[in-house]
Formats: sequence, structure tokens, C-alpha cells
Amino acid sequence: DTAVSQTPKYLVTQMGNDKSIKCEQNLGHDTMYWYKQDSKKFLKIMFSYNNKELIINETVPNRFSPKSPDKAHLNLHINSLELGDSAVYFCASSRHITQLGTEAFFGQGTRLTVV
Amino acid sequence: GENVEQHPSTLSVQEGDSAVIKCTYSDSASNYFPWYKQELGKRPQLIIDIRSNVGEKKDQRIAVTLNKTAKHFSLHITETQPEDSAVYFCAASKTDKLIFGTGTRLQVFP
Repeated sequence: DTAVSQTPKYLVTQMGNDKSIKCEQNLGHDTMYWYKQDSKKFLKIMFSYNNKELIINETVPNRFSPKSPDKAHLNLHINSLELGDSAVYFCASSRHITQLGTEAFFGQGTRLTVV
Repeated sequence: GENVEQHPSTLSVQEGDSAVIKCTYSDSASNYFPWYKQELGKRPQLIIDIRSNVGEKKDQRIAVTLNKTAKHFSLHITETQPEDSAVYFCAASKTDKLIFGTGTRLQVFP
């Protein structure tokens, strides 16, 4: 049973296109995230949602728009793709405990290549 | 906001030796400090974590220590094996925001 699954695993697209990455978790977690991992392997948080509500937006360009139809899903839509958007995007989820950090479970990643 | 620094960026050891990775964090309110291992082409996975009310935690060959006063925490791997080769990330969190260090690429040579 896959706990956090994201699709697609690989995505190759041209500059200027619009694309979406989907994420689903079956752990019953309240909080979901998107992280970007660049070529230097830095893992940077992009967004965090708690019970479908956006709680963190880490100065990500407006071209990136997350959508959470329910607390088990957090999709990422990217408009007008640029070369610099090429990276591995990881979805993750965790339990929400007020004022307490908890383990994040990661999806397998989506390698986005913009050409 | 929270900032996490991690050193070294690369670490090469001989099989059987110990490896130590160090991290510092900036937000004294952080209360959760996990360590993740990421193998090539795979997702980051938790290997050990520690909370701010504990100074040390051990799980077989891996251990983590936390110095809240100095805002330092460290990962110790003893008797390293080639399968320990991976990128290791420390992280710090106080709520729903896990901030990662810059990663350490560990290579264990047989």
C-alpha cells in the first residue's frame, strides 16, 4: 500500500506550457506539503495545507497554484513553465499536532524537465 | 523564520568507521528534529528523530544528540556499511513546517 503517491513520476515539457502534478495520501493525515528539490539536492518547502486550507506559501511565484479538493489530495498546477522550474517535486504529508512538529512522509517525487 | 545549516556537505569514510553530521538551527522554539536519508533517485525517508525534551536517542547503529542551549544537533552512524551511502538531511520544525538542512552526501568505501 502506497502511503503518499504522486503522478506522474516523470514529466518532460516545453517552456510556456501548463502542467499539473497530482498527490494523494491514504494515511489520514491533516497536513500536506509540496517541496522542490533542485539539482544541488536542496529540499525547499513551497506550500503547506492543513485540512484543505493553505497555511504556508514560501514566496513561490504565482505561476504555481496548489489545489486541495479534500484533505487527502494536494495537486500542484504550474502555468507558463520556465527552464528554472526543472527539478524534482515532492509531495509529503504529516499528522497535525498543534505547536508540535511531526514526521513527514514523502511521495516518490516527480522529475520535471522543462526544455 | 527557521534556518538550518548542515555540515559537512560531503563525507567519505571507510567501511567500519564512524560518520558524524552536524546541524544548527536558528529558531529556539523548534521542538522536533528529524533526520532523513535519501538514496539516489528515491524519496527522503525518516531514519531517526528527536524531540526537544530529549538530549539523545539511539537506534542500533545510528544516534542523534541535541544541545538545545547551543541549538545544535548531530547524527552519528557507527560501523558504517556501503549501504549507508546516501544523502542525509537534518530538519527542524515547531509546527507544520519542516525546514531542511542543505544535505550531506555520505560515501562509504568498502
